[in-house]
Amino acid sequence: ETGVTQSPTHLIKTRGQQVTLRCSSQSGHNTVSWYQQALGQGPQFIFQYYREEENGRGNFPPRFSGLQFPNYSSELNVNALLLGDSALYLCASSLPQGSTDTQYFGPGTRLTVL
Amino acid sequence: KNQVEQSPQSLIILEGKNCTLQCNYTVSPFSNLRWYKQDTGRGPVSLTIMTFSENTKSNGRYTATLDADTKQSSLHITASQLSDSASYICVERGYGGSQGNLIFGKGTKLSVKP
Repeated sequence: ETGVTQSPTHLIKTRGQQVTLRCSSQSGHNTVSWYQQALGQGPQFIFQYYREEENGRGNFPPRFSGLQFPNYSSELNVNALLLGDSALYLCASSLPQGSTDTQYFGPGTRLTVL
Repeated sequence: KNQVEQSPQSLIILEGKNCTLQCNYTVSPFSNLRWYKQDTGRGPVSLTIMTFSENTKSNGRYTATLDADTKQSSLHITASQLSDSASYICVERGYGGSQGNLIFGKGTKLSVKP
């Protein structure tokens, strides 16, 4: 176990709805990254938060937004859900240690959009 | 086009046998290359991280190699166990600030049979 937790484990939504996913980082880690992993694909970077500020964003539309709280936990919000948003959403926490910092992944939230 | 290509897509081996997974990458400039193990429905777990100057790194029965000239990496698993059944993902990091520079391959799905 990495110490990174995510909730909920599974979620079913319908098109057009909004969803909030949550992540608690490993103790002491101030950086959280979010990834989307479609079935049979590798994770795709959504964005990263460092000390409550967005610190990099992948090729995802603005309806994907996030927050990081003072305790370094984080939320991923997705508005106007599309069928293609169905995926495993992973968060990973880390401590910035140059280019070789290790990311510790949570178990993920499986989102199904009907 | 995915800048990290892995082969084979899937592999079935008998318990106790060795196997080698391949990764070709094109991202440049290069910072480091990582291998992750991902059990079904779980988050990836880091196995190795290699920088440009390293050409081999071991973690128990897992040995990763890196050839920066040919932009190839391999992951060798020795004396496979049933618990090795998982997807193995090759990840390259280019230079730059955030973890957004992590480029994930699609993974090789390994099945170890008794």
